Amino acid sequence: DGGITQSPKYLFRKEGQNVTLSCEQNLNHDAMYWYRQDPGQGLRLIYYSQIVNDFQKGDIAEGYSVSREKKESFPLTVTSAQKNPTAFYLCASRPIIGGELFFGEGSRLTVL
Amino acid sequence: GENVEQHPSTLSVQEGDSAVIKCTYSDSASNYFPWYKQELGKRPQLIIDIRSNVGEKKDQRIAVTLNKTAKHFSLHITETQPEDSAVYFCAASGATDSWGKLQFGAGTQVVVTP
Repeated sequence: DGGITQSPKYLFRKEGQNVTLSCEQNLNHDAMYWYRQDPGQGLRLIYYSQIVNDFQKGDIAEGYSVSREKKESFPLTVTSAQKNPTAFYLCASRPIIGGELFFGEGSRLTVL
Repeated sequence: GENVEQHPSTLSVQEGDSAVIKCTYSDSASNYFPWYKQELGKRPQLIIDIRSNVGEKKDQRIAVTLNKTAKHFSLHITETQPEDSAVYFCAASGATDSWGKLQFGAGTQVVVTP
């Protein structure tokens, strides 16, 4: 089955720790994205990547970092610099020509 | 960059009635407007989309209309059913940000009561 796999689904961390969320896709999509979802605020773009070894900041990139070493993978690191990291994180991908954005199941991060 | 506003934030309708959600966008060069449905605890999924060269598009009980002059687009759901209960997001692709970036509205919680 083609799709996007995010892991872990739930993650608990102590304040001050970095955490890395995994996102893998086998759809052969060129573009990949990370969104953050908070109640009442919709989906806000953190980072996106259109090709391997290249990525751009979205609207709320501060406190986050990404890498795109392989076409299939786009991990997101939530660093200790992110002031309010507790949220639902969604990874997505899209073909280079545009069209439908496919989402993963999401990762819920809770910082204690 | 693009800015998308969505109204209302919550919408309660009786089963069988129609539901309408409206979005406005700021970038007059935007050319792609999708709508996503997110059921509780699940991923957002595309339900319908429209491009700027079309004024209206229908798919069974769902329709989207686009007014480029006024820079707004709307989602219409007719004959609502309990399974239509979900959060709906509109989005716009700002042409100045290339094809890559979709700006989402804040979402509308739709509740269909039997």
